[in-house]
Amino acid sequence: AQSVTQLDSQVPVFEEAPVELRCNYSSSVSVYLFWYVQYPNQGLQLLLKYLSGSTLVKGINGFEAEFNKSQTSFHLRKPSVHISDTAEYFCAVSEGTGGSYIPTFGRGTSLIVHP
Amino acid sequence: DGGITQSPKYLFRKEGQNVTLSCEQNLNHDAMYWYRQDPGQGLRLIYYSQIVNDFQKGDIAEGYSVSREKKESFPLTVTSAQKNPTAFYLCASSFNRVNEKLFFGSGTQLSVL
Repeated sequence: AQSVTQLDSQVPVFEEAPVELRCNYSSSVSVYLFWYVQYPNQGLQLLLKYLSGSTLVKGINGFEAEFNKSQTSFHLRKPSVHISDTAEYFCAVSEGTGGSYIPTFGRGTSLIVHP
Repeated sequence: DGGITQSPKYLFRKEGQNVTLSCEQNLNHDAMYWYRQDPGQGLRLIYYSQIVNDFQKGDIAEGYSVSREKKESFPLTVTSAQKNPTAFYLCASSFNRVNEKLFFGSGTQLSVL
């Protein structure tokens, strides 16, 4: 069975500083990896995804993530954050279990950007 | 515009009452999902459906029921057997069984009176 661990429940950071949101997963088979963002009282929207190929994935709003198979990690980074990046971020993994690929989500990391 | 529509945005349930949350999509997606979101617990899968007239239990299906009579619609009923229904409910869809990306609705906040 797959599982996802987001190591930080909350990450405070000042505007224009870099940020890293950590995600580790466990799975015995090949996986798809995702980061989603949720603004208050809204649904989730996809930031980026890793399916195969290059381990460095670029997404929307200047975010990127790196897939590290040996460390089973998929950390999200942004070199310079903006106030508008304040939101909840979710890491998700899906794997082939009988071909269903049902995604499992982490508990989320609240990114708080201070002026 | 294509997307997923959840209604209502806010819903209140009385003791012993069943309530139904609506989820409609016009993306022509085969698969649809219901997640429950509680603060600090992330998203937990309630039910999912990968084809019309078929659905499967997720991790926390007890006290919930669903139907999938049409491709576009996947309503969720929160029954009186669900003793702690207060949560934010999210509906999602994906193009097919091997989902590469989920599209989410804007959610329904269910509270108990």
